[in-house]
Amino acid sequence: GAVVSQHPSWVICKSGTSVKIECRSLDFQATTMFWYRQFPKKSLMLMATSNEGSKATYEQGVEKDKFLINHASLTLSTLTVTSAHPEDSSFYICSARDQRQGVGSPLHFGNGTRLTVT
Amino acid sequence: EDKVVQSPLSLVVHEGDTVTLNCSYEVTNFRSLLWYKQEKKAPTFLFMLTSSGIEKKSGRLSSILDKKELFSILNITATQTGDSAVYLCAVESSQGAQKLVFGQGTRLTINP
Repeated sequence: GAVVSQHPSWVICKSGTSVKIECRSLDFQATTMFWYRQFPKKSLMLMATSNEGSKATYEQGVEKDKFLINHASLTLSTLTVTSAHPEDSSFYICSARDQRQGVGSPLHFGNGTRLTVT
Repeated sequence: EDKVVQSPLSLVVHEGDTVTLNCSYEVTNFRSLLWYKQEKKAPTFLFMLTSSGIEKKSGRLSSILDKKELFSILNITATQTGDSAVYLCAVESSQGAQKLVFGQGTRLTINP
């Protein structure tokens, strides 16, 4: 089945620093990947849609200068949390769809990255 | 704005019980409804429903969609402690980039 790999699985950083999270589709190509954020005991909130070769599409209320997304290739998207603050602490999950399975195939999720900003 | 509402938000039952989880939705240009199970990390895919009235089944889990009343249910029979998880319902619109909108989730706890 389609596998999405996310790295790192957890990271602790100091306020003001930047953190990069990688999302890779291991056995398929994805022109589109999705980045979600999840607070404790809450559901997944879509942050942005990452598009290979073009700019990401951000959801309303998500700061594009704060959460930089780069979809460098058909198997890699990165999310960089810039100048992190404690309120950015959260669980970040990426997802992608295996295009070989067609437009109606389900999204597959990475294992997520737990970010803690001190 | 697309919206997904799940109920109950939390449910505690004994092993062997049968549970029904509910999901209602409002979405522009509905494409599909999906159920995921989330334990400690990433959600794992359970079912994708696109047509009304056709039950999807996998072992003790089953799900059905009603596109007229805009809801879906997820049934789990003969529950086991390993079924304890958060169950997420999501809908996908055929517009745009086919992103998923998630409900709040139902936290299911199965006690031995």
